[in-house]
Amino acid sequence: RKEVEQDPGPFNVPEGATVAFNCTYSNSASQSFFWYRQDCRKEPKLLMSVYSSGNEDGRFTAQLNRASQYISLLIRDSKLSDSATYLCVVKTREYGNKLVFGAGTILRVKS
Amino acid sequence: ETGVTQSPTHLIKTRGQQVTLRCSSQSGHNTVSWYQQALGQGPQFIFQYYREEENGRGNFPPRFSGLQFPNYSSELNVNALELDDSALYLCASSLWRGGGTDTQYFGPGTRLTVL
Repeated sequence: RKEVEQDPGPFNVPEGATVAFNCTYSNSASQSFFWYRQDCRKEPKLLMSVYSSGNEDGRFTAQLNRASQYISLLIRDSKLSDSATYLCVVKTREYGNKLVFGAGTILRVKS
Repeated sequence: ETGVTQSPTHLIKTRGQQVTLRCSSQSGHNTVSWYQQALGQGPQFIFQYYREEENGRGNFPPRFSGLQFPNYSSELNVNALELDDSALYLCASSLWRGGGTDTQYFGPGTRLTVL
């Protein structure tokens, strides 16, 4: 079983749609949680950290449920520029503060 | 931009050769982590360097080795290249003060092709 598992993609949605990505993690010792965005053939970029209380950044809302070991990302009013791969990421102190990435979910927003 | 730079951008090698990839961390950062991203996969942790010492290692064989220099820049060396080593190699720098709150910022990566 992979340490971080994400929804299989790709998600093809029209502009203006709301789309939700889900992610589960297996290591209960995980400390920190993130969503990264990766454009084609580029490096991952931090989209937002995820907190147990939930957090929002504009059209993006992230939620964490530690009991269920579940992370989500909601994107409202999708834009063409949101098309990318979204990586669910967990940090653990094991093996030196490493980041553990899911395989990513591809989002394609179409006009 | 993150201020993390990597060189070279692209590299083509043949099986059995050796390669050195370089990373300059963001100013003020003391930690560099290296990741391998195969096509269609998320990045996989190779190892991390903090203050010139290896601070953790993922499930990669010993032919993957690294260094961190006093200015916190870093090198990743891979010996005896195999076809499966073809991937995007990413370095990420962060400022680690202890605890787990450091944010890792990625460089643009080096795309390695092994023929």
